[in-house]
Amino acid sequence: GAGVSQSPSNKVTEKGKDVELRCDPISGHTALYWYRQRLGQGLEFLIYFQGNSAPDKSGLPSDRFSAERTGESVSTLTIQRTQQEDSAVYLCASSTRRAGGFLSTDTQYFGPGTRLTVL
Amino acid sequence: SQQGEEDPQALSIQEGENATMNCSYKTSINNLQWYRQNSGRGLVHLILIRSNEREKHSGRLRVTLDTSKKSSSLLITASRAADTASYFCAPGYSGTYKYIFGTGTRLKVLA
Repeated sequence: GAGVSQSPSNKVTEKGKDVELRCDPISGHTALYWYRQRLGQGLEFLIYFQGNSAPDKSGLPSDRFSAERTGESVSTLTIQRTQQEDSAVYLCASSTRRAGGFLSTDTQYFGPGTRLTVL
Repeated sequence: SQQGEEDPQALSIQEGENATMNCSYKTSINNLQWYRQNSGRGLVHLILIRSNEREKHSGRLRVTLDTSKKSSSLLITASRAADTASYFCAPGYSGTYKYIFGTGTRLKVLA
């Protein structure tokens, strides 16, 4: 079946503009993650959605960042008033979240990412 | 920080040689995963090892886990140019769903 898809693949915007990034998870995956990866750096956790539970927004760097997900479908990450330091690859991942604790098999399936460049 | 710390940061070897990279983590884990990333895009899951396992194999990959030392290693045997990528470990800590990725090991395999 289809994997995780993200759009757009590349986005160039001007400082101060708003951008919206989209993630289509694998069908049936209840969990969805957003990460940010700056050039040459590791992955920064941004936000986590699990089914209909309240999302964990603890990784969002500022109130300019927000994300939504309707049920177990598409998610959008919105960055308002973009700044040059927002330039990065934004990665989305989904997983099935089978069980928890020791039996957890939370293998994450990543999308190809959206490369955001803020001029 | 709860992220896994990979070591070395960069590794360059000749094709056919073995590549070993290490990961250290903080507190108790349920499992630990290794991922590969090509060209700064999406990560691909390689292998998951549970806290009660000491070694696991998948093709040319061998992962070990030492919970007493809070460390894991990934061995790639008979490396190929196509193995050139960044490798990340992701500890699955007890009591949390988050997997915090480190900065990774950048492996370059020279043909």
